[in-house]
Parts: sequence; structure tokens; C-alpha cells
Amino acid sequence: EVQLVESGGGLVQPGGSLRLSCAASGFTFNSYAMSWVRQAPGKGLEWVSTISGTGGSTYYADSVKGRFTISRDNSKNTLYLQMNSLRAEDTAVYYCAKYNIGGGRYFDFWGQGTLVTVSS
Amino acid sequence: DIQLTQSPSFLSASVGDRVTITCRASQGISSYLAWYQQKPGKAPKLLIYAASTLQSGVPSRFSGSGSGTEFTLTISSLQPEDFATYYCQQLNSYPITFGQGTRLEIK
Repeated sequence: EVQLVESGGGLVQPGGSLRLSCAASGFTFNSYAMSWVRQAPGKGLEWVSTISGTGGSTYYADSVKGRFTISRDNSKNTLYLQMNSLRAEDTAVYYCAKYNIGGGRYFDFWGQGTLVTVSS
Repeated sequence: DIQLTQSPSFLSASVGDRVTITCRASQGISSYLAWYQQKPGKAPKLLIYAASTLQSGVPSRFSGSGSGTEFTLTISSLQPEDFATYYCQQLNSYPITFGQGTRLEIK
């Protein structure tokens, strides 16, 4: 059974930093790209970042480029999102998702989400 | 960036109704289109990928069609558990984008 469990969310002041983690199990982690998607309170879904299975390729939304860094540790089956220079508009539930590129492209499994609140 | 526009943004319907949600892309995305269902406080759930392929375990009353720039999600006979928000997503190119969502409520 595929499981994705996010952690690391919380309350942080504007300009601060936070690192999110996503522990994966139930599939061959290093064979799949992984992504972060966020959802501000009462709003829609926003793609944040994607990393390839090897970690060699990364992609970012313009809204986070230069402030957020996606990474992965395939020995620990864990995905990370380092968030720096946080702004109020980064307040959201952050989901990690498994990105399946075989036979199409889609996010087939999602974690339960972790809430990040940026406020003074 | 590729923009996705869903219509309608809000839909009121009854159990047993047939409903269709449209997703239009600002440029061609081949068939790299997925549909998700999200209920309040829960993570999105994949329904359809590659525009028309039903994800394993998803009821057959859900179907998808389209290619290029126009896509549809159809629910053939609404069940009580289908009342939720639906999102389309394009994965043809980065940045990956989502539609704004369609909220489906009980009439």
C-alpha cells in the first residue's frame, strides 16, 4: 500500500524558514518523480515543485523559484521542501504527491497534507 | 504558462443527474490531462488520467474525454458521495497547472 506522510508544517514568521518532509512507503521510491502541491485556505490547488526520481532534475513554480528548494534522499525514501524567505501568501496546506509518468502523466497518490502558516 | 479554465465554477445538481464539467486549455496539451476529486479537509483523489483513462478503483460512472484544448469530465448518475470539488490538471509542460475548480453541490 502506497503511503505518503508529510511533516514539518507549523507557524513561522514572515521571512522565516521551514523544511517539510514527506516519508514514502509502498513503492520503489527512486523510480518515481515526486511533487509538492499547495492549497491556500479556501482556494484551489497550486503546483509548487517537482523532482525527478534520481534528483537530477527539478522544476519550480515562478511564485517560489529562488526561495524554495526541493530535494530527496532515496536512501531514506523521503522527499523534502526547504522553504526560505516565507511570505504570508505561502500560507497553505502542502501536499506531497507521487508523479507517475508511465502510460500518461498524473499524480496518483497524495499525502494528507501539512499546514504552513506564515504570520507574525 | 498554460492556463486551464473550468466551467462551470459551481454546479448544483440532484442525485441521479448526469453532469458534465468542461476544462479548456489555453494551448494544446495533447492528452496530458488529469481530473481529481477533492472533499473538504481531504487530499485530492485521482479520477481520470490521460484525458480518458479511469484510475483503478474509481467507479465507472466517471468518464473523461477530449484532447488538444478541450476536455470533459462526465458523471453519468450522481451519487451522494460525488458531491465535492473537481479539478483538472495539465501535465504537458512545466509549470504544471490546475483549473480553478468546479464545486458540485446537492440541489
